[in-house]
Parts: sequence; structure tokens; C-alpha cells
Amino acid sequence: AQSVSQHNHHVILSEAASLELGCNYSYGGTVNLFWYVQYPGQHLQLLLKYFSGDPLVKGIKGFEAEFIKSKFSFNLRKPSVQWSDTAEYFCAEGYSSASKIIFGSGTRLSIRP
Amino acid sequence: NAGVMQNPRHLVRRRGQEARLRCSPMKGHSHVYWYRQLPEEGLKFMVYLQKENIIDESGMPKERFSAEFPKEGPSILRIQQVVRGDSAAYFCASSLAGTSVYNEQFFGPGTRLTVL
Repeated sequence: AQSVSQHNHHVILSEAASLELGCNYSYGGTVNLFWYVQYPGQHLQLLLKYFSGDPLVKGIKGFEAEFIKSKFSFNLRKPSVQWSDTAEYFCAEGYSSASKIIFGSGTRLSIRP
Repeated sequence: NAGVMQNPRHLVRRRGQEARLRCSPMKGHSHVYWYRQLPEEGLKFMVYLQKENIIDESGMPKERFSAEFPKEGPSILRIQQVVRGDSAAYFCASSLAGTSVYNEQFFGPGTRLTVL
């Protein structure tokens, strides 16, 4: 069965630190990959997505992710985090021929001011 | 421009009661998806509906759970005879079109169901 793994359940960083959240997917075919963010008390929002083309994807709020097919990875990065980045981050994958999205278990990011 | 609306935001039920969760998609969207998030887990797909049709219910438990999206009105996720294990956050998403993840899904704020 297809699955998405996020190995870091909780990450704590200081402001201005660099961020990298790991994500591994299992499906070996054509995949579509997403990162969603859920700020405290708010609904899920799409940060960025990868369908094809340049494996380095730029998203909103200074986030980016790199698709590495050989490693089945789609890690999320940000060079310098802010306190307002405190949230839960979900990696997800979907399939071109279907509508459902498979989510990872999420990584809670806490930023110390 | 209202987003996806879900109500109630919090719902408390006793074991054996019924729970009804409502989802109003974004304006112009005719595709609705339901996901469930158990504590400490990611969102799990349950069902995908278009108006008056269930397209994919591969994630729905076989018993007690049902979903509908009538021609008029919100989509309803119905859980009969709830048990403590049904306690979770239930998220609804909608998209302009379906059958492909190229069509972005917009999520609602969720309904947190607590079964006593």
C-alpha cells in the first residue's frame, strides 16, 4: 500500500535557524507531491506542490522542497524560520488518475522566539 | 470569498448515538472529499463525492459510516451508533473538478468529534 513517512514528529528551532523536514513516499510510479501547513486553530493550506519538471519547487512564505526520485524523498526546507512558522506540516502524495491524497503523520514545528 | 465551511466545529456524542457532520464546499466547487485524522496520525482519505454520486469510498469503514452530497445543500458524513474509536477530527475538502490531483483540494477547518 502507498504510504508517506515523516520521521520527525516534533521539531524545535530558534528563530533564524534553517529548517529541513523529511518526507519519504513509497510509490514508484508517477507521483504528485504536496506539502500542507496547518497553523494553530486554522485549516490546512497548500504550501507547495510538485507534479513534474524542475525538482526544486518554490512555495509560499519562503518554503521550498526538493524531489529526489532515487531517494523517494520530498524534503521541505526554509533557510531562516520565523516564529510565525510555528505550525504542523504534512507531506502528502497523490496520483494523476485518482483524487485521493495520502498524507504523512505530520511534523509539529515549534519556533522559539 | 468564503472557503470550505464545516459545522459543527466540535461535536460531543455518547456511545450509540448518531453523529452528522456537514460540509459546504467553496462556491463553484462540485467535488467533495472527507478525511479523518486520528490522534497523532495524519489525515486518512475516506470518501470522494460529486453531486449526488459517490465516486470513491475506498477509505470508508464498511459499517456505520455513510456520506452523501445532495443536489442541494451541504455534504453530510453520517456516523451511526458511534463508538469511542470514532473520536477524531474530520476534515472536508473541495475542488473545482475531480478525477485528478491536478485539481487543488481546499480544506475546511474540520469537525472534532468526541465520543464519551
